[in-house]
Amino acid sequence: KQEVTQIPAALSVPEGENLVLNCSFTDSAIYNLQWFRQDPGKGLTSLLLIQSSQREQTSGRLNASLDKSSGRSTLYIAASQPGDSATYLCAVIRDTPLVFGKGTRLSVIA
Amino acid sequence: ETGVTQSPTHLIKTRGQQVTLRCSSQSGHNTVSWYQQALGQGPQFIFQYYREEENGRGNFPPRFSGLQFPNYSSELNVNALELDDSALYLCASSFTPDRAQNEKLFFGSGTQLSVL
Repeated sequence: KQEVTQIPAALSVPEGENLVLNCSFTDSAIYNLQWFRQDPGKGLTSLLLIQSSQREQTSGRLNASLDKSSGRSTLYIAASQPGDSATYLCAVIRDTPLVFGKGTRLSVIA
Repeated sequence: ETGVTQSPTHLIKTRGQQVTLRCSSQSGHNTVSWYQQALGQGPQFIFQYYREEENGRGNFPPRFSGLQFPNYSSELNVNALELDDSALYLCASSFTPDRAQNEKLFFGSGTQLSVL
């Protein structure tokens, strides 16, 4: 059974800092990995999707990497801003729909 | 904006009642998945519909049921509500050329259900 773990559970950083969020999964036979952002009480906004054949994807200040063999992904956020404050979820997909981690709650302090 | 719309946005029910949640897929999408997200947890897969047929189900009891219509919109029905059913219910749509599960999902804003 696939399990997804995200560390840390919560993170507080000053504005402007670069930061890394971690995601690990137990079954490396995945089709893709997706990073989402969720604001309190709201739905999920897809940030980046990495296909299993890819090693990283970039969008603006976000960069996500994937190491399937070790079952790990990282989300790098450059020059963090208060507007980045949210919960960040990673999810993997294989034969069953997305399996999510519990998320990392990020607070960026102005 | 993902183009996936859910209604209602908030709902309050009492234990033992029944509830129907609705989801309108993004145009061109043929697959709808439903997830339950309890407070502080990641979303948990309930079931998925592909071209009006159930195409996978998570670890939820039969009182959780669903439908997908010819226009690919969907309903989630929950009977005999329990207090633990209080959660954010998320709908996601995607286009899959077959039953493969590797396509990008687009989520709606969710329905917040409170069971008292």
